Amino acid sequence: DAKTTQPTSMDCAEGRAANLPCNHSTISGNEYVYWYRQIHSQGPQYIIHGLKNNETNEMASLIITEDRKSSTLILPHATLRDTAVYYCIVGYNYGQNFVFGPGTRLSVLP
Amino acid sequence: DSGVTQTPKHLITATGQRVTLRCSPRSGDLSVYWYQQSLDQGLQFLIQYYNGEERAKGNILERFSAQQFPDLHSELNLSSLELGDSALYFCASRRDITDTQYFGPGTRLTVL
Repeated sequence: DAKTTQPTSMDCAEGRAANLPCNHSTISGNEYVYWYRQIHSQGPQYIIHGLKNNETNEMASLIITEDRKSSTLILPHATLRDTAVYYCIVGYNYGQNFVFGPGTRLSVLP
Repeated sequence: DSGVTQTPKHLITATGQRVTLRCSPRSGDLSVYWYQQSLDQGLQFLIQYYNGEERAKGNILERFSAQQFPDLHSELNLSSLELGDSALYFCASRRDITDTQYFGPGTRLTVL
């Protein structure tokens, strides 16, 4: 079973920030939080990952709470092409046998 | 483009048959992972290889097998196919523990 809980679906207006939450209350001290997305039936696309600190890259920002029991993926200016299923995964970096849950289906609306 | 390639893109076959799916990892990546995505099960980890050796097994059926060759490409063999094996099959590769997985475009298998 996936170790994360995400909303089934979310809508976001084009140009606005999309904030996707994830709960991972049973995360272990050395487990990372990874985010991937899948557009239609394409291969999952890596977005970002982090351990404790907040992370930012050209695609998104990852905010991890201090107790590490939840996190939020932020797409700062959502576009229609960001419509996808977003997966939040927790796992160790040495194995990475990812357990995918159902994810959040994000719809970016014009 | 992740740099991971998979062939074929689509495969249609009949029940009872055997097929081979191929994955070429990103240049320099030693680890290959295979996943199955069906409509009712979501993305499920099947098996991992590292530099030619099996490293971890997930929900892989006994009818399925895989290997990784010296040039690091990998093949997933599916035999005695059943209707329920129809799915998308993805492979992913990874360089080392400082890296994460990068997925290929997948092979869509349809068993009729």
